[in-house]
Amino acid sequence: AQSVSQHNHHVILSEAASLELGCNYSYGGTVNLFWYVQYPGQHLQLLLKYFSGDPLVKGIKGFEAEFIKSKFSFNLRKPSVQWSDTAEYFCAVILTGGGNKLTFGTGTQLKVEL
Amino acid sequence: EPEVTQTPSHQVTQMGQEVILRCVPISNHLYFYWYRQILGQKVEFLVSFYNNEISEKSEIFDDQFSVERPDGSNFTLKIRSTKLEDSAMYFCASSERQGQPQHFGDGTRLSIL
Repeated sequence: AQSVSQHNHHVILSEAASLELGCNYSYGGTVNLFWYVQYPGQHLQLLLKYFSGDPLVKGIKGFEAEFIKSKFSFNLRKPSVQWSDTAEYFCAVILTGGGNKLTFGTGTQLKVEL
Repeated sequence: EPEVTQTPSHQVTQMGQEVILRCVPISNHLYFYWYRQILGQKVEFLVSFYNNEISEKSEIFDDQFSVERPDGSNFTLKIRSTKLEDSAMYFCASSERQGQPQHFGDGTRLSIL
């Protein structure tokens, strides 16, 4: 069965620090990859997605992610975080041709301190 | 931007009672989903629904669960006889097409006493 791993469960950064959140998945087939963010008290929102093409994808609010097929990874990055980026971040995968089920990682709680 | 809306935001129910969670997906979306998140755990897939039938379901989605699209706008999740372990946040989602990004509602927090 496919699975998604996020190794950082809690991350605390100061404003302007760089961010990288790890995501690995365990399926050898073709996948669609997503990062979702959940701000306190709000619903899951799509940050960015990768389907095919350029493995470096840019999303909203200055976030980007790089798909490295050989490493089964899709890490999320932001060069300079802001206090408003405090939220929980979820990596998720859909198998292409394998239905619509999103498989989520455990999530990373990011706290940005002023 | 169109949103997925869920009601109620919080539901408290006695164990053994039936509960219905309601969702209004985005109007031009064709695929509908339910997920749940038990406190401190992953968001887990429950079921997907397309063309008025279940297209995929997880092991969690046993005979106690059912989904329905009773009219052109609502999408409901029914738990027939709730158990303590059904306490969780339940998220509804919808997407335009298969494999496309899913848009989530705010969730319903279900508390079983």
